[in-house]
Amino acid sequence: GAGVSQSPSNKVTEKGKDVELRCDPISGHTALYWYRQRLGQGLEFLIYFQGNSAPDKSGLPSDRFSAERTGESVSTLTIQRTQQEDSAVYLCASSPGNGGNTIYFGEGSWLTVV
Amino acid sequence: SQQGEEDPQALSIQEGENATMNCSYKTSINNLQWYRQNSGRGLVHLILIRSNEREKHSGRLRVTLDTSKKSSSLLITASRAADTASYFCATDSGGYNKLIFGAGTRLAVHP
Repeated sequence: GAGVSQSPSNKVTEKGKDVELRCDPISGHTALYWYRQRLGQGLEFLIYFQGNSAPDKSGLPSDRFSAERTGESVSTLTIQRTQQEDSAVYLCASSPGNGGNTIYFGEGSWLTVV
Repeated sequence: SQQGEEDPQALSIQEGENATMNCSYKTSINNLQWYRQNSGRGLVHLILIRSNEREKHSGRLRVTLDTSKKSSSLLITASRAADTASYFCATDSGGYNKLIFGAGTRLAVHP
């Protein structure tokens, strides 16, 4: 596609339920990133993929969070047993490769846990 | 913990005025990037300055980098109401675009 696509755009879920957030990066981009942004705050790094492997997952806040990437394309961020503090915008980004390149962000998935 | 910290947190100016936003960071970097965010959704990349560069221009944007002070500034000249947004600096220390963002500056430009 022309840009990074994320779905769903908005998700309201009950506390304790699992959610899956999807990211379609720009075609051909080998690097993919997930960030979280709480209301009124900056972005927090969650995980970085190079191809299908994740050399840096240091930002995942707990073992309830996991992510995978397949086919060097689509990525899914899964949050199990959601908590209210998980409410945030989850932003995906991709870039052509190694650092020093511009990264391109999607519009984000706004998660509200009630 | 956050690497970059912007100031001011909020800035309100009139159209035509210049807007200056500052960013400080803690560790050595490969590059520093500025992003713009409208309405809390996707970020738009504005400009990237590498650690061996001191100043960079792009249209009405001017970015400076002082690695000795671990600080950067973003200047928007002749501001327009459409420049109203949040502006974030982000530093890349690891060399693979693991960006560390500050909390941002909320800029309001009044017609």
